[in-house]
Amino acid sequence: EIVLTQSPGTLSLSPGERATLSCRASQNISSTFLAWYQQKPGQAPRLLIYRTSNRATGIPDRFSGSGSGTDFTLTISKLEPEDFAVYYCQHYVSSPPASYTFGQGTRLEIK
Amino acid sequence: QVQLHQWGAGLLKPSETLSLTCAVYGGSFTGYFWSWIRQPPGKGLEWIGEINHSGSTNYNPSLKSRVTISVDTSKNQFSLKLSSVTAADTAVYYCAREPYDSSGYLYYWGQGTLATVSS
Repeated sequence: EIVLTQSPGTLSLSPGERATLSCRASQNISSTFLAWYQQKPGQAPRLLIYRTSNRATGIPDRFSGSGSGTDFTLTISKLEPEDFAVYYCQHYVSSPPASYTFGQGTRLEIK
Repeated sequence: QVQLHQWGAGLLKPSETLSLTCAVYGGSFTGYFWSWIRQPPGKGLEWIGEINHSGSTNYNPSLKSRVTISVDTSKNQFSLKLSSVTAADTAVYYCAREPYDSSGYLYYWGQGTLATVSS
């Protein structure tokens, strides 16, 4: 079973700053099946990034994803007030049985 | 535009069975896997399992013994049953769908339903 570990648990930054969120897998995973979500209080998660580096429809270009192997990163280049939320990485295993695994989340809070 | 609307019992007693349904509006019901995910209060996301239109399922091994996901293609709905619930099953439950078969990510989400287990 692959475990995703996100760091830091909480990130305190100011609007306009750059945010770097990490997701580390317990073993090598395919970059095809690594995604990132944003979740705000009381809302369902929203897909931000799929296949490691592809932005979902309507996601601003200040959000970018990168990585390979066991280390993946979500970068927000210049924080806007609406970006303060919780972020989750997610991995998918396609071989039967298929399954999804989420990281424990990184809370991005206003400093 | 695909929309998922979910409902079900919100308050359960220990040992009861949680039952939720998700209705799909817009788009095709076939050709995709439909998932259930849960989130305990203040905690992270946990995938429960998925089903496709023909009834093929995949479950989280940690919940498999208590979970049944079923589908009703005539109503474009799929359902979750979780048996023998305890307080640890208190969570917001979401239904969700991938954008295409085996894409590996979840694009469409329901609004979430809070299920509370309390004696």
